Amino acid sequence: DAGVIQSPRHEVTEMGQEVTLRCKPISGHNSLFWYRQTMMRGLELLIYFNNNVPIDDSGMPEDRFSAKMPNASFSTLKIQPSEPRDSAVYFCASSLGGKGKAYEQYFGPGTRLTVT
Amino acid sequence: LAKTTQPISMDSYEGQEVNITCSHNNIATNDYITWYQQFPSQGPRFIIQGYKTKVTNEVASLFIPADRKSSTLSLPRVSLSDTAVYYCLVVGYGGATNKLIFGTGTLLAVQP
Repeated sequence: DAGVIQSPRHEVTEMGQEVTLRCKPISGHNSLFWYRQTMMRGLELLIYFNNNVPIDDSGMPEDRFSAKMPNASFSTLKIQPSEPRDSAVYFCASSLGGKGKAYEQYFGPGTRLTVT
Repeated sequence: LAKTTQPISMDSYEGQEVNITCSHNNIATNDYITWYQQFPSQGPRFIIQGYKTKVTNEVASLFIPADRKSSTLSLPRVSLSDTAVYYCLVVGYGGATNKLIFGTGTLLAVQP
């Protein structure tokens, strides 16, 4: 398997622009997670999907952030409008839920977002 | 809210065994103890997960005492390539995503 795929790997944009990050989870996994990592705040969970349904979005910082999972093989995280403080590495992870498999997550390579 | 405490950093030399301890006093009955490894510019990588006693795989061993309030990740004979940040999490089986808190992790520096 190719693992979790994220695109783009790097994104540089200007403040106020819309940014869309994409993720393809591992085939067969039924849970998908979006994280953000910065030096100051570490690795933060933004949102979690199970069977394509958002279960917990309490980590989404504000209304400028939105995430969708239209099918089992694709998810997007959108920031509109973007701000310099959104600069971070954004990771997508997937896992196969079930008893004894409590969130053994597989992470993608991340998207490094820079907002100027 | 489940919280884990682990050392900020550790130093070791190649060939030594490294033990990283994590405390999780508020662990719940359904929680599993999970460790991840993260190299610079990469996403975290799952290392090992356990519920009680001892778990061993090809990479590491995980020791969990009977009260489950702490756990120890053991890396045998480390090499320079084991230099990374190691995160301990307690993860709820069945949807407790408020426990998916990675914390600051332990930066392990392996020297020649």
